[in-house]
Amino acid sequence: DIQMTQSPSSLSTSVGDRVTITCRASQGISDSLAWYQQQPGKAPKLLLSAASTLESGVPSRFSGSGSGTDYTLTISSLQPEDFAIYYCQQYYSIPFTFGGGTKVEIK
Amino acid sequence: QVQLVQSGAEVKKPGSSVKVSCKASGGAFSSYTFSWVRQAPGQGLEWMGRVIPLADIPNYAQKFQGRLTFTADKSTNTAHMELSSLRSEDTAVYYCAREVRGAVLDVWGQGTTVSVSS
Repeated sequence: DIQMTQSPSSLSTSVGDRVTITCRASQGISDSLAWYQQQPGKAPKLLLSAASTLESGVPSRFSGSGSGTDYTLTISSLQPEDFAIYYCQQYYSIPFTFGGGTKVEIK
Repeated sequence: QVQLVQSGAEVKKPGSSVKVSCKASGGAFSSYTFSWVRQAPGQGLEWMGRVIPLADIPNYAQKFQGRLTFTADKSTNTAHMELSSLRSEDTAVYYCAREVRGAVLDVWGQGTTVSVSS
């Protein structure tokens, strides 16, 4: 199984800050990586796929980058509605594993 | 616009089974692939497996082999997940989700809480 390691596991930040979350795969995943946002008590919401393709309706302050085993989710200017938990997921090979999540909290 | 509506919360005894349904509307059910993901209280997301209704082909994560069964009823546009031999560690919210473009999960059900307790 491909292990997905996210860092940090949590971070405290302020509205307007730039946030970067990293996801590392235990082997190359050829950009088969998605990012999800989960608000408390809600189902996850797809933000990006193919490492850097923004889903329709997702604000442009969200962006993704990376290749091989290392990927990054960046929020350019954090908004109040962005405080949530973020997960990466590889869909390169079954089982499609998730990272452990990054909780973005208000400082 | 595809929507996935799941069945209601369940409370089960250890050793029993639970069946969760996921009804799709607004799209071509048979052409989709559905994944099932669970989330234990305060924990992250865990992919359980997937089913392709058109071919009735399931893939199960190794961890659940022998306890997990996916089915798809094309007449009612409903996917089902049945987990047997329940234990307390199976207490979680169970989600169904539609796969697109490989296995990106773009539409999710609202989740079904399954509690396992004696």
